[in-house]
Amino acid sequence: NAGVTQTPKFRVLKTGQSMTLLCAQDMNHEYMYWYRQDPGMGLRLIHYSVGEGTTAKGEVPDGYNVSRLKKQNFLLGLESAAPSQTSVYFCASSYTTGTVAYEQYFGPGTRLTVT
Amino acid sequence: QQQVKQSPQSLIVQKGGISIINCAYENTAFDYFPWYQQFPGKGPALLIAIRPDVSEKKEGRFTISFNKSAKQFSLHIMDSQPGDSATYFCAASIASGTYKYIFGTGTRLKVLA
Repeated sequence: NAGVTQTPKFRVLKTGQSMTLLCAQDMNHEYMYWYRQDPGMGLRLIHYSVGEGTTAKGEVPDGYNVSRLKKQNFLLGLESAAPSQTSVYFCASSYTTGTVAYEQYFGPGTRLTVT
Repeated sequence: QQQVKQSPQSLIVQKGGISIINCAYENTAFDYFPWYQQFPGKGPALLIAIRPDVSEKKEGRFTISFNKSAKQFSLHIMDSQPGDSATYFCAASIASGTYKYIFGTGTRLKVLA
């Protein structure tokens, strides 16, 4: 099993450009999450999904959109990149027994720089 | 109410020493407290986790101590090794609710050989 994979690993964007980050998991997990990690601020939740076709806002959703068309994939989009979106982005997934979610498994991250 | 406060921001320990990282929370609805370890260039990985029905959980050299009345929990790394040098994050969540973690700001640990 590959676990959680993220594409691309690195990207440099100019202000105003758009891009999509892809997260894929092969563990058949229901829940998926997108975080951003900035120095001194820990991991902050951007958006999350509790199942195929459903998404919800996290702590810092502005400037991002997401889609979960397939259970194994969770896409994060930046429509018009801004320098404030320079960060390391992590995707995570977790399984559930119905009403209880368990350990979150993280991908290796995408380092995004917006100039 | 949703914050998890983590200290210290950085920590330097001699090989063989004890590393202690502390976290505090406000929301009494939190019922799942994991600790994650992150090496440079990698994603965080679960190290150990505790639920509030126990006051301590030990896995090898890693121990979580939990004080429900004080709303605090801490990670103790016994016999710290250079290979433990990493960033450690505490987190809190409502396991049967929103499924979202609130992370602390992280502690960068360096263990000197």
